[in-house]
Order: sequence, then C-alpha cells, then structure tokens
Amino acid sequence: QKEVEQNSGPLSVPEGAIASLNCTYSDRVSQSFFWYRQYSGKSPELIMSIYSNGDKEDGRFTAQLNKASQYVSLLIRDSQPSDSATYLCAVSSNRDDKIIFGKGTRLHILP
Amino acid sequence: EAEVAQSPRYKITEKSQAVAFWCDPISGHATLYWYRQILGQGPELLVQFQDESVVDDSQLPKDRFSAERLKGVDSTLKIQPAELGDSAMYLCASSLDRDYEQYFGPGTRLTVT
Repeated sequence: QKEVEQNSGPLSVPEGAIASLNCTYSDRVSQSFFWYRQYSGKSPELIMSIYSNGDKEDGRFTAQLNKASQYVSLLIRDSQPSDSATYLCAVSSNRDDKIIFGKGTRLHILP
Repeated sequence: EAEVAQSPRYKITEKSQAVAFWCDPISGHATLYWYRQILGQGPELLVQFQDESVVDDSQLPKDRFSAERLKGVDSTLKIQPAELGDSAMYLCASSLDRDYEQYFGPGTRLTVT
C-alpha cells in the first residue's frame, strides 16, 4: 500500500517567517512530486512540481526533494496571512502513473 | 487562462435519488480524473481516464457509481442511488498526459439528506 504522509497540523508561523511543510512517501520508485494549496471550501491549486533531487525555487516557494530519504518539503519565505491554507503533497510513480495525495497540513500564518 | 469547468457547483439531494456531475477538462488534456474529498482528508481518486478509456477505477464503488468520457473530452460522474455517506466534495482534474501536473476544477459540493 503506497502512502504519502503529512503532519496534519495546524502549523502556526508568524507573518514574515519561513514556513516549512514536510511530506514523506513509501514508494521508492516515485518519480513526480507536487505541492497543492487548498483554501477552505475551495479546490486544490497547483503550486509547484519537482522531479529531481535538490531544490526548485518559484518566487517565495522552494520545493526540496530527497529521493534517498523519500522526503519532499515546501518552504514558504516571507509568510503572508494569505498563505494560510491546507497544503497537499502528491506523489506519483512511473510504476502505474497513479497519483497519491497526502491528507494535507493546515498552515496558519499569525499576523 | 484555460480552466477545468464543473457543474453544478452545489447539489443537495435526498437519499436514494440519482445525481450526476459534469466536467469539461482543459482543451487538449488527455487525462481526466474524478476525486472525492471528505473534509479534513486528501482527495481520493475515484476514476482516471486516458482519452476515452478508463485506466483506473479501482476505488470507484461500482454498485452505485458510474463514469464515462465518451468522446475523450468532457465527462460525467453519476451516483445512483445516493447514500448519506456520499456527502463530500467531488473534484475533477485534468492533465496533459499521465504523470503531468493536474489542474482542478472548482468542485461540486454534494449534500445527501
């Protein structure tokens, strides 16, 4: 049973600080990794995708992937109150192209 | 900017009634997904289409749920009969192909009374 694990939170971070969201996965042959943001009552919105080890930066967001440790993270710099949302980690495998979502981490940015 | 369209946005139905949801993916996207999301949980895949073919429906309760994508473009998800436990958000997503980024529609919030 392939799994994607996230701490459910809530994770509280002061405005302007760095928020760090973590995700672990069980399937070693996972190849594609995605972070989504979901506001309450809304649908998920794609933030970033990452496919190779290392860091990938997009504006205030940085995704970090470590396939050896089966770990992917999302850093949000200069956190804003508008970043308060649930962040979903999604992982897919070349084995079956099936994408598995984690349960999400609730992030709360404190003004 | 191209978006995934879904309708209706909200649906209230009584137990044992039939209900249907419609999804129009981003033009050119070969892969279409239907998810169910319960509050506090991640999206759970119900069915995945590649063009008009079903490639994964292992989590679809086939005794009451059906899905089709006849011409490989838009898709319909049906529940008959609806049960109280079906109350959830139903999300449609599409991607250019398998293993590419998925883009979600606004979802349909279903309440079964």
